[in-house]
Amino acid sequence: DTAVSQTPKYLVTQMGNDKSIKCEQNLGHDTMYWYKQDSKKFLKIMFSYNNKELIINETVPNRFSPKSPDKAHLNLHINSLELGDSAVYFCASSRRGGNEKLFFGSGTQLSVL
Amino acid sequence: AQKITQTQPGMFVQEKEAVTLDCTYDTSDPSYGLFWYKQPSSGEMIFLIYQGSYDQQNATEGRYSLNFQKARKSANLVISASQLGDSAMYFCAMREAHNNDMRFGAGTRLTVKP
Repeated sequence: DTAVSQTPKYLVTQMGNDKSIKCEQNLGHDTMYWYKQDSKKFLKIMFSYNNKELIINETVPNRFSPKSPDKAHLNLHINSLELGDSAVYFCASSRRGGNEKLFFGSGTQLSVL
Repeated sequence: AQKITQTQPGMFVQEKEAVTLDCTYDTSDPSYGLFWYKQPSSGEMIFLIYQGSYDQQNATEGRYSLNFQKARKSANLVISASQLGDSAMYFCAMREAHNNDMRFGAGTRLTVKP
């Protein structure tokens, strides 16, 4: 069983479209995240949820909206996609605490044409 | 705000030799954790090693060790006996106890030469 699974793995779409990326974890963790990795490999945190509650919302355009139906799921919906949204999006989960590592999904490669 | 700095965009090492990847950090929180992740060309993020701010001894995991110098705020990763499969991006990260997030450095691309 995959601990953190995200779908789809690849997403190719046109500018202006709306798309969603789904993430599920079966580790029983309370905290889930979305990270964006740009073409230079820089990993930037976008959102963090703890027990379905939004904890961190970095300076991300409001076209990006996370949704957590329960603590095992954290989906990312993106409206009106732009060329600059092309990146790899990683979902991750962890227990709470500064000594807890993150478990990452395999990433979603988003290409906006 | 926490900040992680990796000053080496790229590093080369000969197979079977040791290599040190640098990482410095900045935080005002006395309690924090330092992490290293490996990202091979296949793209997945692989956890390597963890060091807590109150740990007295440097962390070790197989061929990986973390050279933790708290006063200098550095947490360098040492890979001994490099293998071709070690070629990858390596990320240093920090997580403060009072925060929910983990912040990453810019990464170092390691290439192991045969």
